[in-house]
Amino acid sequence: DAGVIQSPRHEVTEMGQEVTLRCKPISGHDYLFWYRQTMMRGLELLIYFNNNVPIDDSGMPEDRFSAKMPNASFSTLKIQPSEPRDSAVYFCASSFSPQGGYGYTFGSGTRLTVV
Amino acid sequence: KQEVTQIPAALSVPEGENLVLNCSFTDSAIYNLQWFRQDPGKGLTSLLLIQSSQREQTSGRLNASLDKSSGRSTLYIAASQPGDSATYLCAAPAREAAGNKLTFGGGTRVLVKP
Repeated sequence: DAGVIQSPRHEVTEMGQEVTLRCKPISGHDYLFWYRQTMMRGLELLIYFNNNVPIDDSGMPEDRFSAKMPNASFSTLKIQPSEPRDSAVYFCASSFSPQGGYGYTFGSGTRLTVV
Repeated sequence: KQEVTQIPAALSVPEGENLVLNCSFTDSAIYNLQWFRQDPGKGLTSLLLIQSSQREQTSGRLNASLDKSSGRSTLYIAASQPGDSATYLCAAPAREAAGNKLTFGGGTRVLVKP
C-alpha cells in the first residue's frame, strides 16, 4: 500500500479564494482524521470520520471549513473563503480500528499558504 | 479531556549519548500510546505503538515504556546519531464511545551534535 496520500503537497492562494485539500486513506482503514499543525498551536484535530460518516467536527474552527468523505477511499477538506490565518500544514491520517489498535498512519501533509 | 505534555521542549546532546524523552498524559484510560518522529517540513512517521496491556515496546535503538498508573511514557534512543535529529511527538487517544481521537503533545525537538 502506498500509505495515506494527500494532495496537493503545497498550495499558495490569495485571501478569499476557495481551497480544497484531498486525502486518500489506506485501503481497509475505516477511520479518517484531518489535523492542522501550526507553530503556535501544534497539532489539532479538526474532524474525523468513521465509515465515511463524520463523527466529531468540534475541532473545525469556523463555518468556512467543511469536510466530506463521499466514499471509503477519498476525503476532502475545503476552506471557503480562505484567510491568512488558515496558513498551516494540514495532515490526513487513517486508522484500522476505533481503538487505534494498529496505530495511525499520517500522510505527508499539505502546506497551505494564504496571502 | 485528554491532555498530553512533553518535557523538555528541546534537547541538544552530543553524538553517542542516550536520549530520554518524556511524555505525560492526564487520562490513563488509554488504549495505546504512539510515538512519532517529524523531520522539518515533513509529515509524521510512526516509530512505536504501545498497547495499554504492554509495559514497553522496542525497535532497534528505540525503546518506549508505558506506565498508565502514573500517566507517563518514555522514549529511549540509545547511542544517538546526528540522523536522530528531529521532533518527537507522543500521542494518546482517550476512551470514547464513538472512536478515538489522538491528542498530541507539543513535541520535543532533538538536536544530536556530531
